[in-house]
Amino acid sequence: AQTVTQSQPEMSVQEAETVTLSCTYDTSESDYYLFWYKQPPSRQMILVIRQEAYKQQNATENRFSVNFQKAAKSFSLKISDSQLGDAAMYFCAIDGGGADGLTFGKGTHLIIQP
Amino acid sequence: DTGVSQDPRHKITKRGQNVTFRCDPISEHNRLYWYRQTLGQGPEFLTYFQNEAQLEKSRLLSDRFSAERPKGSFSTLEIQRTEQGDSAMYLCASSWGAGYTFGSGTRLTVV
Repeated sequence: AQTVTQSQPEMSVQEAETVTLSCTYDTSESDYYLFWYKQPPSRQMILVIRQEAYKQQNATENRFSVNFQKAAKSFSLKISDSQLGDAAMYFCAIDGGGADGLTFGKGTHLIIQP
Repeated sequence: DTGVSQDPRHKITKRGQNVTFRCDPISEHNRLYWYRQTLGQGPEFLTYFQNEAQLEKSRLLSDRFSAERPKGSFSTLEIQRTEQGDSAMYLCASSWGAGYTFGSGTRLTVV
């Protein structure tokens, strides 16, 4: 079984500042994918960034980057130059390739202070 | 490609009634997943189809829950004899390869 833990129920950051959301996971798989999804209020889940476990290089998508520490089973998300539109629930998820798709954490509510 | 569509967006039903939700995946995606999301929680896996075959259904919450994907296209999720505890957002996702695309979900309220 896979588990994902997000220890920060809520984070707040000033607009234009940088924030890091934490995620740890556990899996017995050697090859897997890790994801960060954004879910704005009453809106659909949107993929922010994806990391393949066999790739050592950290994934980056514009203002979003990850710090993937495979040995520590840690997968944090850094958002640079935070914008008001970044306010949402952020979910960390793992896909071990089994038939149960993605396993999600409980989420972190990100607040952007203007 | 219009993304993953779910219908209806909202459903209010009386306890004991049956409800059915529909999901239309991205046409090229052969895998389809149903999740349930309750307030303040991450999505919880329910069931999985590869084409028309339901390959995992042991996580369906009870025998009141069932899902189909006839002909490997759209899928339906049915809840029979609804209970107040069934109130939640029901999400559908389709996948090909290592990416997942989610629909907007169906919010079910059982009164």
